[in-house]
Amino acid sequence: ILNVEQSPQSLHVQEGDSTNFTCSFPSSNFYALHWYRWETAKSPEALFVMTLNGDEKKKGRISATLNTKEGYSYLYIKGSQPEDSATYLCASTRGPGNTPLVFGKGTRLSVIA
Amino acid sequence: GAGVSQSPRYKVTKRGQDVALRCDPISGHVSLYWYRQALGQGPEFLTYFNYEAQQDKSGLPNDRFSAERPEGSISTLTIQRTEQRDSAMYRCASSLEGTGHCEQYFGPGTRLTVT
Repeated sequence: ILNVEQSPQSLHVQEGDSTNFTCSFPSSNFYALHWYRWETAKSPEALFVMTLNGDEKKKGRISATLNTKEGYSYLYIKGSQPEDSATYLCASTRGPGNTPLVFGKGTRLSVIA
Repeated sequence: GAGVSQSPRYKVTKRGQDVALRCDPISGHVSLYWYRQALGQGPEFLTYFNYEAQQDKSGLPNDRFSAERPEGSISTLTIQRTEQRDSAMYRCASSLEGTGHCEQYFGPGTRLTVT
């Protein structure tokens, strides 16, 4: 069974603060790690797909790193803004032919103005 | 361009009735996925298709749940003899290719309530 764990479960930060949270996944047979941003009442929106150990991806103020040997990924948000408030989901898949994504429960971020 | 669409957006049904949920993926996307999402939780995999072929249905909770994608485009998730525990958000997603490194694009979901 593939378990994807995210921490913390929720996070409150002040506008302008930088923050980060963690996604842990089994390192054996790893293939890909996905990050999604999900605002309540909307659909999850893809942020990054990462496959290589040491990979680092960036989109605006949001970046992510990947360590496949130890089975974790960090998502960083620099200079948080109220519009960053959302739940950030990570998901892992094992193998190219085994594409079902297994999602974590997400980290709910609230940015206070 | 048009994203993934789902219909209906909301469905209220009485226990014991059958329901059919529709997903229209992004044009040209090979793979189509069905997920169920409980309140405050991440999506939980149900089943997926590459073209018209159902590749994995291991996430379907029981034999009351079935899905089809007969022409490799639109898909229908059917729940027979609905039960209250089936109440959830049902989300569909599609991806360009059926590989694990492809982004999945999610639809708005169908909120199913079984009374």
